[in-house]
Amino acid sequence: RKEVEQDPGPFNVPEGATVAFNCTYSNSASQSFFWYRQDCRKEPKLLMSVYSSGNEDGRFTAQLNRASQYISLLIRDSKLSDSATYLCVVNKRGTYKYIFGTGTRLKVLA
Amino acid sequence: GAGVSQSPSNKVTEKGKDVELRCDPISGHTALYWYRQSLGQGLEFLIYFQGNSAPDKSGLPSDRFSAERTGGSVSTLTIQRTQQEDSAVYLCASSLVAAGAGTDTQYFGPGTRLTVL
Repeated sequence: RKEVEQDPGPFNVPEGATVAFNCTYSNSASQSFFWYRQDCRKEPKLLMSVYSSGNEDGRFTAQLNRASQYISLLIRDSKLSDSATYLCVVNKRGTYKYIFGTGTRLKVLA
Repeated sequence: GAGVSQSPSNKVTEKGKDVELRCDPISGHTALYWYRQSLGQGLEFLIYFQGNSAPDKSGLPSDRFSAERTGGSVSTLTIQRTQQEDSAVYLCASSLVAAGAGTDTQYFGPGTRLTVL
């Protein structure tokens, strides 16, 4: 089983839709969680960190469920510019290794 | 300010040749990572440098791969006797402090796209 698993998609949604991705992780000692965004042929860029209490940044909401070992990303009012691959990233407590998921591809359609 | 830079942006080489990839991290960042991303795959950890500590080379796929970081800043990843399976995008990232210490966001460079013919 992979340490970090994501549905590869693609998720094809119309503009204005709400879409949610989940990411599961296998190591219960995981401490830090992130969502990165990667555009085609570009480097990953931090979208948001994920905090235990959940956090929101504009149209984006991230949630952490430690009991079930998953994190989620909700995007409201999707824009064409949201089309990208969303990478789930997990870091284990006390280590420097970041484990990246293979990403979920989102296509927002006009 | 300046972000992480990498050079070259693209490299095409013949099987069996050696290649050198360079990474300039953000000034002041003590942690530096190299990753490899093959087409349609996730990021594969290769090596990690933290300050003056010995690097963690556990992710290097074979002894043909080596990396160094001079003066705690610029890093070079060297692949000797390249093989076709080495074709991938090699990404470098830096962060201000070590992971787990709080402020550990990684900032990525644009990558070097390596093609081995």
